[in-house]
Amino acid sequence: QAQLLQSAAEVKEPGASVRVSCKASGYTFTDYGFAWVRQAPGQGLEWLGWISTYNTYTVYAPKFQGRVTMTTDTSTTTVYMELRSLRSDDTGMYYCAKDRAPRRLDCFDVWGQGTMVTVSS
Amino acid sequence: DIQMTQSPSTLSASVGDRVTITCRASRGVSRWVAWYQQKPGKAPKLLIYKASNLERGVPSRFSGSESGTEFTLTINNLQPDDSATYFCQLYDSFWTFGQGTKVEIK
Repeated sequence: QAQLLQSAAEVKEPGASVRVSCKASGYTFTDYGFAWVRQAPGQGLEWLGWISTYNTYTVYAPKFQGRVTMTTDTSTTTVYMELRSLRSDDTGMYYCAKDRAPRRLDCFDVWGQGTMVTVSS
Repeated sequence: DIQMTQSPSTLSASVGDRVTITCRASRGVSRWVAWYQQKPGKAPKLLIYKASNLERGVPSRFSGSESGTEFTLTINNLQPDDSATYFCQLYDSFWTFGQGTKVEIK
């Protein structure tokens, strides 16, 4: 069955960048898009953006446009999310999530375990 | 941007109760609404997609419905394992989450 394995926790200083990876297995990688969702401690879910693994088309949330980049590596079935110019309020758990349906924007049926990103000086 | 206003923020109910959680969209939307369950320290889990479709493996006591711009998650026969936070999600050209509802068992 589909599984997503994310990279380890990160600690970054304000102004730095972070890159989080998400390795997929158990299904045809290029059939399903991916989203990135974050959750500040004790808070709700916030969508950052979405990427097609079929043609690398991206959609970013307006709040993060210009500060986030999502990429894919089909050879390793891995998606990446880079967030730049980090601030303390970027601290939180970052999740990758796979689309439920193929080749369309959809809800998310499989999630990674999460990567904790801490921004602190 | 379309907003999804979720209510209540918390609720407390007894085992066996029926509970309802509501999300109201700020304007007319399609049926592309999903519901997730999240337990502490875990990733969200998909329960309902396209407003009323039960995800595989999810107990049938969970159900979803819609009426105009209002979407509802109902849990029948509440079980201790249902103690969690529940989120609605609109997935259209963008993805928008509701604020979440924490369900506690009395």
